[in-house]
Amino acid sequence: EDQVTQSPEALRLQEGESSSLNCSYTVSGLRGLFWYRQDPGKGPEFLFTLYSAGEEKEKERLKATLTKKESFLHITAPKPEDSATYLCAVWDYAGNMLTFGGGTRLMVKP
Amino acid sequence: EAQVTQNPRYLITVTGKKLTVTCSQNMNHEYMSWYRQDPGLGLRQIYYSMNVEVTDKGDVPEGYKVSRKEKRNFPLILESPSPNQTSLYFCACGGVFGTEAFFGQGTRLTVV
Repeated sequence: EDQVTQSPEALRLQEGESSSLNCSYTVSGLRGLFWYRQDPGKGPEFLFTLYSAGEEKEKERLKATLTKKESFLHITAPKPEDSATYLCAVWDYAGNMLTFGGGTRLMVKP
Repeated sequence: EAQVTQNPRYLITVTGKKLTVTCSQNMNHEYMSWYRQDPGLGLRQIYYSMNVEVTDKGDVPEGYKVSRKEKRNFPLILESPSPNQTSLYFCACGGVFGTEAFFGQGTRLTVV
C-alpha cells in the first residue's frame, strides 16, 4: 500500500526566511511525485511533477527535489503570498490513482 | 476557460436524504475522480473513472456511488447520507499516469 507522509504539519516563517518541506513516500514503483498548492476554500493547484531520483524543478521561489525515498520543497525568501497548504502526492505504477500526504500548512508573516 | 465545475458549493442536509453533487469538466479528459478532505486525514480518493462507463473504487468508497455516462460529467451520489460523510469534497479531471490533475472549487457538505 502506498504511503505518503509530510512534515512538518505546520510551519511558520518570517518573510525572507528560507526553509524546506519534506515528503516521504513508500511505493512499489514511482510513476510520478506531485506537489500541489491549496489555498483556503479552494481546490489544489498543480505546481510540479517529478519522475526520477535526482530530478529538480523550479518555479519562482519554489524548488522541488526528489530522491528514492523523499522529496523536498524548498522555499527561498518566502513572501506572505506563499502562505498556503502544500500537498505532496504519488502515482504508483501498480495503481490507478493518486495518493496524497496530509499536507504542510505554511504561514509566512511580513 | 478550462475548468472543473462542481455544484453545489455548500450543502446542509439531513441524515438519510439522498443527494447528488455534480461535476463537469470542459478539458476533454478521460480520467475523472472524487476526493474527500478531512482535517488530519488529507485528501482521500472515493471513486475514479478511467473513461465513460468505467468506474472503480478508491480508498474510501463506502456510502458513495458514481456514474459516468458522458465524458464531461461525473456525479457523486450519496444514497443515504450520514454525519460521518460531513466533509469537503473535490472533483478532479486528468492526473492519470503521472500527469497534472485539475481540481474543482470544492463542495462543503454538512449532514446533520
